[in-house]
Amino acid sequence: SQTIHQWPATLVQPVGSPLSLECTVEGTSNPNLYWYRQAAGRGLQLLFYSVGIGQISSEVPQNLSASRPQDRQFILSSKKLLLSDSGFYLCAWSSWGQGRSPLHFGNGTRLTVT
Amino acid sequence: ILNVEQSPQSLHVQEGDSTNFTCSFPSSNFYALHWYRWETAKSPEALFVMTLNGDEKKKGRISATLNTKEGYSYLYIKGSQPEDSATYLCAPNAGNNRKLIWGLGTSLAVNP
Repeated sequence: SQTIHQWPATLVQPVGSPLSLECTVEGTSNPNLYWYRQAAGRGLQLLFYSVGIGQISSEVPQNLSASRPQDRQFILSSKKLLLSDSGFYLCAWSSWGQGRSPLHFGNGTRLTVT
Repeated sequence: ILNVEQSPQSLHVQEGDSTNFTCSFPSSNFYALHWYRWETAKSPEALFVMTLNGDEKKKGRISATLNTKEGYSYLYIKGSQPEDSATYLCAPNAGNNRKLIWGLGTSLAVNP
């Protein structure tokens, strides 16, 4: 069966510090991978998605970047965090495009930038 | 920008009550609609992916219908149980960019 792991679960970082969140998927090959963010009072916002190694699409201009160094590994990074980066970050995978294939989510990372 | 509205925003029912929520979205360029359940301290869990007008899907006591012509979907829970307490999210995939756009959800609390 397929599983998705996301870590850390919570993170408190000062403004200006770097960020690295990691997500790995097991039990499937060539998944589509996604990073979402939920800010307070807002719906899930797609930040990045990837259809293959090294292929990253950015959905919104922001202070964050994503990388996919291996087929089932997806990393969310920042060189210098801003207060506005605080939020709940979710990694997800799907078998194919997010149109008609359900998303399978990790447990999320609660990031607080102080 | 695709506008997704879910109503009600929150709902409190007694155990055994049946309930339903609405997801409204623009009907043009419809491709698919997803429903997810998000329990506190857990990750969102896919309930249904619906694609055809008139679709009706069922999973245990939960069912959903889809009307793509008028742009809405209903989610029904029959005989609510405390374990049904969660936020229910809908996410249509429509418009030209074929991305999921998420509603804010309906928060359901079932009292024992």
